[in-house]
Parts: sequence; structure tokens; C-alpha cells
Amino acid sequence: SAVISQKPSRDICQRGTSLTIQCQVDSQVTMMFWYRQQPGQSLTLIATANQGSEATYESGFVIDKFPISRPNLTFSTLTVSNMSPEDSSIYLCSVDHGGRPNEQFFGPGTRLTVL
Amino acid sequence: AQKITQTQPGMFVQEKEAVTLDCTYDTSDPSYGLFWYKQPSSGEMIFLIYQGSYDQQNATEGRYSLNFQKARKSANLVISASQLGDSAMYFCAMREDFLTGANSKLTFGKGITLSVRP
Repeated sequence: SAVISQKPSRDICQRGTSLTIQCQVDSQVTMMFWYRQQPGQSLTLIATANQGSEATYESGFVIDKFPISRPNLTFSTLTVSNMSPEDSSIYLCSVDHGGRPNEQFFGPGTRLTVL
Repeated sequence: AQKITQTQPGMFVQEKEAVTLDCTYDTSDPSYGLFWYKQPSSGEMIFLIYQGSYDQQNATEGRYSLNFQKARKSANLVISASQLGDSAMYFCAMREDFLTGANSKLTFGKGITLSVRP
């Protein structure tokens, strides 16, 4: 299985500020995904990040609010911009395990609280 | 319409007994994959088991098995010999357009809370 790390693991931020979350994978992967899990809710896909191209955002999510970088095949960042309390969530990155689409692994998540 | 439905509000099971967690899905795509994940209170998502729409047999992974009834569009997770460490939130998820690999998006259900009693 792929080993995925995320930084920070948790943070408490002030309204109006921005936070960048890092996701590092121990192997090269084509696709990386960013999900949001609001308190007591299920996971919702924010965007798909492919190396060398612009991220593809899901309905309801925009690049200005959630800019994503994917500089290489093992790393991605998600920025939560101009935060409000509604952005308080767990943010998780995930990857497909190479050529095995039947396995999608998740990082440990970043718990964000916006005051 | 919801693509993944998990309606059980919360489940309780006695330690060492088996428990079934329900999941129904909705898709018109003939090629899809169904997944179950466990999320303990720490927040990490742990992959448990996968079932492909063309798989002839039900998937099994240790104490986990998937009761796949394609005609009924259900993919229930069965946990045998429950352990205290099984207490967590369990999510059913689906990926459509599976054969081409063009769509890697997972769509999740709302989850079920499982509590294992000693």
C-alpha cells in the first residue's frame, strides 16, 4: 500500500487567513485527490490533481478558494484561502495505488478549525 | 438521487458476534467498483475491501466480507467476530466507469457508526 503523510495534522486558524496543506506520497502516482469532510458528514471530493496540468475541480469548489499545486508525482498542496468557520473540516488527500484502481488510499487528514 | 445510501443510524454489536452494515447504490454504468472504508475517531480513512461489478464472487478480506447482490444494487459489509477496535464510522463508496479508469472519483455514503460492546 502507498504511505501518505500530511502536514499539518491539525491547525486552528483565524477567519480571513489562508492555510496550505501538504500531501507527500512514498511512491510516484498519477492522480492525487483532495477531499473535505465537514463535521459529522461524509467525504466530498474537492478536486483531482494531475502532475503537469491544472487541477480539475468538482461542482461547488473553485480554484480561487482552493488552489492546488502538483509539482511532481509524489507531492501536492491544497490551500484553503480566506477562511471562514464553514471551512472547519478534515481535509484528506488520497491516491490510486499505481495500476490498481481498486485500491485508493488516504492520508491521515488535516483537522482544520477556523475561529 | 443519492448514489450511495447508508440508512442505518448507528449499530451496536456484542464483542465476538458478527454484524452487517448495509449499503445500496445507484448507477446506470455497467462498470463500477464498490469500496468500504473504516474511519476511527482519529480521522484516518482505512481501506477495508473492494468489489468490482464484474466480479463473480463476493470479496473477502480476513474478517471482512462483502455481500454483493447486483440485482438489488446492494453491497453490505459483514464483519465477523467483532472486536472492540472495530468501533468506528464505516463508509461505503463507489467509483463508476471503472474499466476505462478515466473516472477515479469516489462517491461516499453518509456512513454508519458501529459500536462494539464488551
